[in-house]
Amino acid sequence: GAGVSQSPSNKVTEKGKDVELRCDPISGHTALYWYRQSLGQGLEFLIYFQGNSAPDKSGLPSDRFSAERTGGSVSTLTIQRTQQEDSAVYLCASSPRQGPNHNYGYTFGSGTRLTVV
Amino acid sequence: GNSVTQMEGPVTLSEEAFLTINCTYTATGYPSLFWYVQYPGEGLQLLLKATKADDKGSNKGFEATYRKETTSFHLEKGSVQVSDSAVYFCALSDQGTYKYIFGTGTRLKVLA
Repeated sequence: GAGVSQSPSNKVTEKGKDVELRCDPISGHTALYWYRQSLGQGLEFLIYFQGNSAPDKSGLPSDRFSAERTGGSVSTLTIQRTQQEDSAVYLCASSPRQGPNHNYGYTFGSGTRLTVV
Repeated sequence: GNSVTQMEGPVTLSEEAFLTINCTYTATGYPSLFWYVQYPGEGLQLLLKATKADDKGSNKGFEATYRKETTSFHLEKGSVQVSDSAVYFCALSDQGTYKYIFGTGTRLKVLA
């Protein structure tokens, strides 16, 4: 697609429920990133994909968080047994390639605003 | 570890005022530096970038110069407009990794 598409744009869920957030990157972008933006905080790195593999999951806050990417394209971030502290904007970004001179910049989606009540 | 420090906001200016948003960084090696902008209700957009010392990134009237000696990448604009009201994020990418480190963002509000 022309840009990075995320869905849903807003999600309100009850504490303890599972949620799935979707990211559709720019066609041909091999690298995909998930970040979390909490109120008053900067962007917190969650996970990075190169193709379908995730070389670095170190940013995932707990084992309730998981992510996958299929076909080198769409990615899904799943949060199980949601807690109120999971409330944030979840941002997805993609870039054409990853490497030692990775100065191309990310293209971000508009994010999914998750509210856990 | 690598880090980015931005001036705290909010910054409130009148239209046509001069803007400076300070950004300093700590990094090993030779990072690339970026400014991203987030307009209300939208995702982050790349505003400008610089990939080596003394490079100047510029876009839409905004400028920032990569100063290795002061480890800074301050964002400037000579005359701000109401439409520039947004949150601005400074970021770096290390040469050896793929993760971008972002500052906490500075909210700019421009009054007519």
